[in-house]
Amino acid sequence: EAGVTQSPTHLIKTRGQQATLRCSPISGHTSVYWYQQALGLGLQFLLWYDEGEERNRGNFPPRFSGRQFPNYSSELNVNALELEDSALYLCASSLASGGGQPQHFGDGTRLSIL
Amino acid sequence: GNSVTQMEGPVTLSEEAFLTINCTYTATGYPSLFWYVQYPGEGLQLLLKATKADDKGSNKGFEATYRKETTSFHLEKGSVQVSDSAVYFCALLRGGGFKTIFGAGTRLFVKA
Repeated sequence: EAGVTQSPTHLIKTRGQQATLRCSPISGHTSVYWYQQALGLGLQFLLWYDEGEERNRGNFPPRFSGRQFPNYSSELNVNALELEDSALYLCASSLASGGGQPQHFGDGTRLSIL
Repeated sequence: GNSVTQMEGPVTLSEEAFLTINCTYTATGYPSLFWYVQYPGEGLQLLLKATKADDKGSNKGFEATYRKETTSFHLEKGSVQVSDSAVYFCALLRGGGFKTIFGAGTRLFVKA
């Protein structure tokens, strides 16, 4: 079974640009989650999508947005990039959000802002 | 609200030492509890889980017991290896459409 895949692995941008990160969940998983992990820090919850709908959002400004497609893959878009957006962005997927199903993570996209 | 508290790291041990990483939680209802491990340069991997009180999750020599009376889920390993050096995250998930709550993570260094 293929795991959660994220692309690109690394992304280098400059301040003010826009970044798009992509995530393909495990086959059969309908929930997708996005997290930001800055260097040396824990996970900061960004967004949760389930069945194409945004279910919950973390404490991030509106320039962080995303969507989930009919095939359950997802995009995270970050507009007007700032230096502090440099981080590892992790995507996770799970079976339907109820029932105590664990999240399975991809290896992340390392976003560097110059 | 729901929360997870882990012991602060880094934890530094010598090879073959006994490991305990403390995790306590606050939650209403009966959450599922998880430990994840993150090796350098990688995403998080599910290490073990427990879904009800007194369950013991185990994997790769690690184990943790769901203690409802003390609201704890401490991670233990009897003899650590250098390859266990990683960041460990405790997490809880309530059913019914709630998102997973992660602890801050505990970095473990194991010296040869």
